[in-house]
Amino acid sequence: DAGVIQSPRHEVTEMGQEVTLRCKPISGHDYLFWYRQTMMRGLELLIYFNNNVPIDDSGMPEDRFSAKMPNASFSTLKIQPSEPRDSAVYFCASSGRAQGFAEQYFGPGTRLTVT
Amino acid sequence: DQQVKQNSPSLSVQEGRISILNCDYTNSMFDYFLWYKKYPAEGPTFLISISSIKDKNEDGRFTVFLNKSAKHLSLHIVPSQPGDSAVYFCAASALKSGYALNFGKGTSLLVTP
Repeated sequence: DAGVIQSPRHEVTEMGQEVTLRCKPISGHDYLFWYRQTMMRGLELLIYFNNNVPIDDSGMPEDRFSAKMPNASFSTLKIQPSEPRDSAVYFCASSGRAQGFAEQYFGPGTRLTVT
Repeated sequence: DQQVKQNSPSLSVQEGRISILNCDYTNSMFDYFLWYKKYPAEGPTFLISISSIKDKNEDGRFTVFLNKSAKHLSLHIVPSQPGDSAVYFCAASALKSGYALNFGKGTSLLVTP
């Protein structure tokens, strides 16, 4: 399996622009998670889905952030409008029944820079 | 509010010796604990886990110990190898509440030849 795939790997954008991050989970995994890593706060959960349905979005910082999972093989995290404080590495992870769901497999991340 | 804490930002160990990475947690609802390893420009990679019904889990050179009364866990790497140099994250989950992971801020391990 190719593992969790994220695109783009790097994104540089100007403040106020819309940013869309993409994720393809491991085939057969039921759970998909979006995390953000910053120096200040470390790795923090933003939102997660089970069978394409959002379960917990309490970590989404504000209304500028939204996430969707239209099908089992694709999810997006959108920031509109973006701000410099959104600069971080965004990770997508997935987990499945074989691992008991708790063990998550991470993608390589998207490094976002908002100028 | 950081519920999982790794108080040592960095650790340096000689090759062949034991590396001990520590982690403390505050939420007594956590019942599953994991260690992840992360290289630069890559995502975290699952290393080893332990359920709260156990106090030890071993996988090759890696052993995780859990002390529930102290809300403390540790990862032992024996013997340490230069390829173990990475950032190690401790994570915890309350499985009854779902599968979200709470991460510590990581400990950067350097294994010197």
